[in-house]
Parts: sequence; C-alpha cells; structure tokens
Amino acid sequence: GAVVSQHPSWVICKSGTSVKIECRSLDFQATTMFWYRQFPKQSLMLMATSNEGSKATYEQGVEKDKFLINHASLTLSTLTVTSAHPEDSSFYICSARVAGAEKLFFGSGTQLSVL
Amino acid sequence: GNSVTQMEGPVTLSEEAFLTINCTYTATGYPSLFWYVQYPGEGLQLLLKATKADDKGSNKGFEATYRKETTSFHLEKGSVQVSDSAVYFCALSNPYSSASKIIFGSGTRLSIRP
Repeated sequence: GAVVSQHPSWVICKSGTSVKIECRSLDFQATTMFWYRQFPKQSLMLMATSNEGSKATYEQGVEKDKFLINHASLTLSTLTVTSAHPEDSSFYICSARVAGAEKLFFGSGTQLSVL
Repeated sequence: GNSVTQMEGPVTLSEEAFLTINCTYTATGYPSLFWYVQYPGEGLQLLLKATKADDKGSNKGFEATYRKETTSFHLEKGSVQVSDSAVYFCALSNPYSSASKIIFGSGTRLSIRP
C-alpha cells in the first residue's frame, strides 16, 4: 500500500524557536495533504489542507502565520511551527490523498515538546 | 456540529478475550463511519468502514455495524491477539461537508496480554 513518511517522529525544542515537520508520500503523488493536531486525550483535529502549488486552507482558529505550511511538490509538504511555545506541545500528524480518491494515507506522527 | 465520542482507554485484555470499543457520533445527514488503527511506530491506517445505516464493516476479524437509531459504530472482535495491540480511532466523514474533513474520536489504546 501507499506509504507516507513523516519526520521527525519526536522533537524537543526551546520556547521561541521554530520547528519544521516533513511529510513525504514515498510511492505516490499526493495532490492534497492534511495536517492534524492531537492534544492528550482529545480528538485528532484538522488544522489545514494543502494542495500542491497553492496556499493552504486553514481551519477556523488555526493561526496561519504561526503554522506555516508549504506543499511545493507532489510528494512533500512541510509544517513549520514558528516561535513555538509550550502550549504548542502536541502530537502532529499528516495525511495524503491521491487526486480523485477518497482514501487517506497517514504518517506516523510527530510528538512536539516545547520547553 | 459533527463529532465522535469513543470510549476512553487504555483497555487491557487477555489474549482470546472478546473486545468491544464503543463509539457514538453526532452528525447531520448520513455520514460515512470508519475505524482507523495505529500500530506502534506506524501511521493510521483504515481498518474498516460503513457508508449507510445497517451496513457492517469487517476486516481482520474486527466488525462494526452502522446503527443509525443509536448513532453508534461500536468495534468488536471475538478473540483478540497480542498483535491487535494498537490505538483505535473512530471517525466520520460527512458527505455534506468536504470529503477531506474526516472527524476523529480521541482514540482508544488497546493492550493485549499474552
């Protein structure tokens, strides 16, 4: 089946620094990628949808200047958490979809801890 | 709005025990319902789905029936194995919203003792 690689799997950073998370589709071209966030004991929440070559669409309440999403190619999307703060500590997960298909393929997630 | 509520974990069972993980939903119209599974170190993957009332999704010995009258989609397996240890997510996709917006429950961690 299709594989989505997400890197890093965990990261610890100091408050005020920026962190980049990568999401790659290894054996298919992902026209659309999605970024989710999950706080402990809460649901996976969709943060934004990114289509290759265009600006990401953010869900209500998600700060686009804080969570920068780039989807420059059909196999790579990145999420950059800028000026991270402890309240940004969370589990971030990406998923990807082929054009015209409903099925989603998920990365294994990134646990971010901001000190 | 649309939401999914599933039983809080962790759930710990002995091998060959019967498993039920409860899931209820709130949605307008007729959503599609899913169970996703995340094995340690891997991404979420679709376990089974049902797209209309009374449909039963099944895969790898797991089953779930779409119950519109009780707005439920409980996951069951008759005899669990150690290899079933994972986190299970109930989810819905509402056809009246964008197909990309899958709404997830909070996940239930399942541990199976040998």
